[in-house]
Amino acid sequence: DAKTTQPNSMESNEEEPVHLPCNHSTISGTDYIHWYRQLPSQGPEYVIHGLTSNVNNRMASLAIAEDRKSSTLILHRATLRDAAVYYCILGSGGSNYKLTFGKGTLLTVNP
Amino acid sequence: DGGITQSPKYLFRKEGQNVTLSCEQNLNHDAMYWYRQDPGQGLRLIYYSQIVNDFQKGDIAEGYSVSREKKESFPLTVTSAQKNPTAFYLCASRRTGSNEQFFGPGTRLTVL
Repeated sequence: DAKTTQPNSMESNEEEPVHLPCNHSTISGTDYIHWYRQLPSQGPEYVIHGLTSNVNNRMASLAIAEDRKSSTLILHRATLRDAAVYYCILGSGGSNYKLTFGKGTLLTVNP
Repeated sequence: DGGITQSPKYLFRKEGQNVTLSCEQNLNHDAMYWYRQDPGQGLRLIYYSQIVNDFQKGDIAEGYSVSREKKESFPLTVTSAQKNPTAFYLCASRRTGSNEQFFGPGTRLTVL
C-alpha cells in the first residue's frame, strides 16, 4: 500500500492560516488523496479529498503538487476547534475502496 | 438523524472471553469498515464489507471475526485468539460511488 509522510506535530495561532504538508512519493495514478481529522476519543471526520486538481470546500483547501507526490491541506483561519490530529491518507481499491491511515499530524492552535 | 452508532462506548472483559462490538448505520450505505486504534497511532483496518453477506480481511484480521447479515449492521467479534485486544475500535460506512467514510463514535475495549 502507498504510504504518506507527515510531520508529527505543528503549532498555529488562532485566526492565522495553517498549511499542513504531506508527502506521498509512491502514489499511484488511481490513488485519491484524502484528509481526515480526529479529536481525542472521537471517530475521524472527513475534511477533503482530491485526485489531481486543487479542491476547496467549506472546511479547507487541498493543494496538490503537479507530480502528485505531495499535497498541502490549508486551513484558512484556524480556530481553537481546529485543534486535532490530521491524517493524510491515500485511498485506493476501486470497488474495494479502502483507506490506509498513518500517524497523522497533531495540530495545536494557540489562542 | 442519520448516522453510525456504536455501543457501548466503554467495554470491559476478562481475558479469554469473546466479545462482540456493535455497529449500526441508518445511512443506507453499502460499505462498512472496522478499524482498530492504539494510543498515539493511526487507524488500522481489521475487516471491511462492500455488500451484504460479503466481507474481506483488512491488514490485521487475525483474532477477529465479522458478519454482514443486514445492510445496516456490521458486528465485530474480538475472540480470545486476539493477543492484545485492548484498543479503541472504530466503525465506518461509505456510500457506493463516494470516497467519503463516515465514522462512528468508537468503542473503547479494555481486557483485564
